Amino acid sequence: GAGVSQTPSNKVTEKGKYVELRCDPISGHTALYWYRQSLGQGPEFLIYFQGTGAADDSGLPNDRFFAVRPEGSVSTLKIQRTERGDSAVYLCASSLTGPGDEQFFGPGTRLTVL
Amino acid sequence: RKEVEQDPGPFNVPEGATVAFNCTYSNSASQSFFWYRQDCRKEPKLLMSVYSSGNEDGRFTAQLNRASQYISLLIRDSKLSDSATYLCVVSAMDSSYKLIFGSGTRLLVRP
Repeated sequence: GAGVSQTPSNKVTEKGKYVELRCDPISGHTALYWYRQSLGQGPEFLIYFQGTGAADDSGLPNDRFFAVRPEGSVSTLKIQRTERGDSAVYLCASSLTGPGDEQFFGPGTRLTVL
Repeated sequence: RKEVEQDPGPFNVPEGATVAFNCTYSNSASQSFFWYRQDCRKEPKLLMSVYSSGNEDGRFTAQLNRASQYISLLIRDSKLSDSATYLCVVSAMDSSYKLIFGSGTRLLVRP
């Protein structure tokens, strides 16, 4: 079956612009996660959704970052007033029900802020 | 200090060699432990979970030492296709959905 998909695969933007990154989880998975991976580092947790609600957004670095999952499936990560330090690969993962289940990662969106 | 620490490598070994990676974690409340594999410019994929009793999957053996807060991965009979970055991962009891990744250890297997 289809895995986690993310669009776009690459996004180049200018400092100060707004961007949206999309994640389509595996069908039937109720849990969805966003991570951010900077060059040479492991992924860092950003936010966890259980259904439509954000169960834990403690990893979001500041209030420029926001994520939604209005229908409990597709999720969008939104970044306002982008900064050069936001450049990274943004990874989405999903799991069947939540804690304890294997997380399956998507291919990521490589964001470059010029 | 990072929560999960790994030697970044690279480990450069010939085909057929045995190679071991280690990782330490700082939070004694960590409850779940994993090794993920990440190929260049690809997403991380679960390689194996790690249990206190140790576990083996083919050429791969993982060990956990809770007292020392230390995790290891042993790869026997290395293949060219084993070349990748190996990420040590832990999660806490009260937030087991939150995976905490090390920076990874890079392995290069040469012919």
